[in-house]
Amino acid sequence: QLQLQESGPGLVKPSETLSLTCTVSGYSISSPPYYWAWIRQPPGKGLEWTATIHYDGSTYYNPSLKSRITISLDKSKNQFALKLNSVTAADTAVYYCARRVLGMAYFDFWGRGILVTVSS
Amino acid sequence: DIQMTQSPSTLSASVGDRVTITCRASQTISSWLAWYQQKPGRAPKLLIYKVSNLENGVPSRFSGSGSGTEFTLSISSLQPDDFATYYCQQYSINPWTFGQGTLVDIK
Repeated sequence: QLQLQESGPGLVKPSETLSLTCTVSGYSISSPPYYWAWIRQPPGKGLEWTATIHYDGSTYYNPSLKSRITISLDKSKNQFALKLNSVTAADTAVYYCARRVLGMAYFDFWGRGILVTVSS
Repeated sequence: DIQMTQSPSTLSASVGDRVTITCRASQTISSWLAWYQQKPGRAPKLLIYKVSNLENGVPSRFSGSGSGTEFTLSISSLQPDDFATYYCQQYSINPWTFGQGTLVDIK
């Protein structure tokens, strides 16, 4: 059964780098046909797609974050990761990792999410 | 970016009611629309994709319709498990964007 589990620091200082990992179990991220994504939700607010990576390593970013964000795969650990540079309080959010289907960019399976607070 | 606007923001209803949520896109998105349900402290759950296709395991009381710029999510007979926040999402043009959410609460 597919499971996605986010992990990483729950507190990051302003101007530093937010780093999160999503561990996937029940499916090899090296195998087609899926994409893997990060979506965030500021407290009390709506959802924002941030980045997606294909099993072949192709990456797609939200233009609003493109200068600060990197998504990557670690096939040996069956994980994918998110790095967001130069964070501010506006980056405080619950970060979800999710699976995206091939051919259509909706998200059919989500992790439980991790709250990351940006504060000194 | 394509803006997705949901209405109403909050909907108060009773068990057994039929409820309808509207989602409008700022430009045409053809049929590239999904709906999600989110309960407090939980991840969103995919309900419907490509306007009207129910995800596996989603009860048939949920249905979706629309095309172009206007879409609806309907629940034919609201059940206690359906009280939640609902989001639409367009996946026609990158960046993929979500509506602001509609809270369905108990009247």
